[in-house]
Amino acid sequence: QSALTQPRSVSGSPGQSVTISCTGTSSDVGGYNYVCWYQQHPGKAPKLMIYDVSKRPSGVPDRFSGSKSGNTASLTISGLQAEDEADYYCCSFTVRHDLVFGGGTKLTVL
Amino acid sequence: EVQLVESGGGLVQPGGSLRLSCAVSGFTFSSYWMHWVRQVPGKGLVWVSRINTDGSTTTYADAVKGRFTISRDNAKNTLSLQMNSLRADDTAVYYCARDLHYNQADYWGQGTLVTVSS
Repeated sequence: QSALTQPRSVSGSPGQSVTISCTGTSSDVGGYNYVCWYQQHPGKAPKLMIYDVSKRPSGVPDRFSGSKSGNTASLTISGLQAEDEADYYCCSFTVRHDLVFGGGTKLTVL
Repeated sequence: EVQLVESGGGLVQPGGSLRLSCAVSGFTFSSYWMHWVRQVPGKGLVWVSRINTDGSTTTYADAVKGRFTISRDNAKNTLSLQMNSLRADDTAVYYCARDLHYNQADYWGQGTLVTVSS
């Protein structure tokens, strides 16, 4: 199973919005509404930010939102804050009933 | 509080074996599917394996199939990963994670580093 495609890096200034894309195929992102997003700070474990394409776990700020169109999912972070600077990974359930991750996107808050 | 604590990582020679453990607390372990995910330092996340609630169903990534075995002891609240025939490209931080549903993991341990090198 090939990794999902994410941009290597994105950046934005505090208060701005950024969107990270995650492109797969009809065998994963496009075929199921089981897309998730993780935030990972250096040296830390991943933290679930979005699941089921657009649902937020308890405690995740509503500045984080998810969506999907066709084979591409997106994570949007509005009102950027310094602490949002991290690596972000998308993931998706697949037709093989396993899990595939994106390659990761480094978010820089300018 | 949900906690997952991995142990068992370390340095092992190519072709060797290692057994990782993940001790969990703060939730009913026997009610959740569990995963192992690995990450080469500085690289991305890669799913490794999954096990259902009673251990009767296991799934593996192609890269580890036939070499790794996932198991669980619900009485001891422990998840394990037996890794045999280790290769240099198995070097990574290994995380255990709790399944929310459809392979989306909501809680992760802090990871344990496995280094395969001579």
